[in-house]
Amino acid sequence: QKEVEQDPGPLSVPEGAIVSLNCTYSNSAFQYFMWYRQYSRKGPELLMYTYSSGNKEDGRFTAQVDKSSKYISLFIRDSQPSDSATYLCAMSAGDDKIIFGKGTRLHILP
Amino acid sequence: DTEVTQTPKHLVMGMTNKKSLKCEQHMGHRAMYWYKQKAKKPPELMFVYSYEKLSINESVPSRFSPECPNSSLLNLHLHALQPEDSALYLCASSHNTGEQFFGPGTRLTVL
Repeated sequence: QKEVEQDPGPLSVPEGAIVSLNCTYSNSAFQYFMWYRQYSRKGPELLMYTYSSGNKEDGRFTAQVDKSSKYISLFIRDSQPSDSATYLCAMSAGDDKIIFGKGTRLHILP
Repeated sequence: DTEVTQTPKHLVMGMTNKKSLKCEQHMGHRAMYWYKQKAKKPPELMFVYSYEKLSINESVPSRFSPECPNSSLLNLHLHALQPEDSALYLCASSHNTGEQFFGPGTRLTVL
């Protein structure tokens, strides 16, 4: 079992829909949870960073962490074509290593 | 300002060449990282410098040699690379655990 599991997609949704992206993990030592967005041929961009269970909201993005279920989610409201990218979940146990999921390719259809 | 800069943006080199990749951050971050990313794969950690000292080396071949001249700069020296080393090389920096900020990357092609 990999430490972090993420469905690679692709996931295609119509513009304006709510997008739900998810990751599961097996290492209970993970304390820090991140979501990165990566456009083609660019570096990853940090979208959300959290270190506790619960929800964190930033504009159209909501990150959700459920440590008891070892499950994290990213919700995108009112999705736009410009949200089309690869979304990488990432986690850390408190050292300088972060473990990435495989990334989910998202396509928002106009 | 959460900017990490990398030069060059693109690099083509032969297997006998020596070249260097450069990374710079002015956010006062304590840690800097090199990653390698192949197409449709997540970034793979290569090296971590924390307070200018090499703290993590993920058993990277010696043809890759990192250097941290000061707290704002990180270099990756390349020598005798193989075609399979062609990839996007990403630099990142952080102050807090996990909260890493990435640069735009250098796209390297080894002929």
